Amino acid sequence: EPEVTQTPSHQVTQMGQEVILRCVPISNHLYFYWYRQILGQKVEFLVSFYNNEISEKSEIFDDQFSVERPDGSNFTLKIRSTKLEDSAMYFCASGWRRESYEQYFGPGTRLTVT
Amino acid sequence: SQQGEEDPQALSIQEGENATMNCSYKTSINNLQWYRQNSGRGLVHLILIRSNEREKHSGRLRVTLDTSKKSSSLLITASRAADTASYFCATASNAGGTSYGKLTFGQGTILTVHP
Repeated sequence: EPEVTQTPSHQVTQMGQEVILRCVPISNHLYFYWYRQILGQKVEFLVSFYNNEISEKSEIFDDQFSVERPDGSNFTLKIRSTKLEDSAMYFCASGWRRESYEQYFGPGTRLTVT
Repeated sequence: SQQGEEDPQALSIQEGENATMNCSYKTSINNLQWYRQNSGRGLVHLILIRSNEREKHSGRLRVTLDTSKKSSSLLITASRAADTASYFCATASNAGGTSYGKLTFGQGTILTVHP
């Protein structure tokens, strides 16, 4: 069964450094998402991406964040200058239709900012 | 309360018992989904119920949706120790075509099933 994959599984970085989190969505999906979950809290939407552009983003997704689908298979989330409060689990998800179908989530990347 | 609030926050039962978790939400929805998360792991999609559906079954799972009360429930029958996990409801908004599938999650219910 096809699945969403994410790398790395765990990333440790120092405050102020740039990180890139990578995701390979399911191949025939058209809608792509990033969510995050701070330890002990609920999953929060960051951004959705469709037709090679951001379609919706949350207040969390400020200028420090960017997304890209550079080669038609990978989907990346970049945090330009990490802060301590960016420490969280980051989940990538993909879907075939936007509202009518479930989203398939990757296993997540745990980002620790020290 | 926030969109997609579950109760109870924690539920502890014995194997073989049924587990019921509730979710309330505030805005109009296109669908409501339930996800499961084992400790520190990814989210696994369990079941999706559309706004025009009232009840749905999948194996030992039964989901109901009451759009007039803006609430849903997830029932797991004949629970097993392996069902121990956090369960989240998530709503997909019906925002007149401007939504691109964004899911709004609740805080989740931590279910512990004792063998």
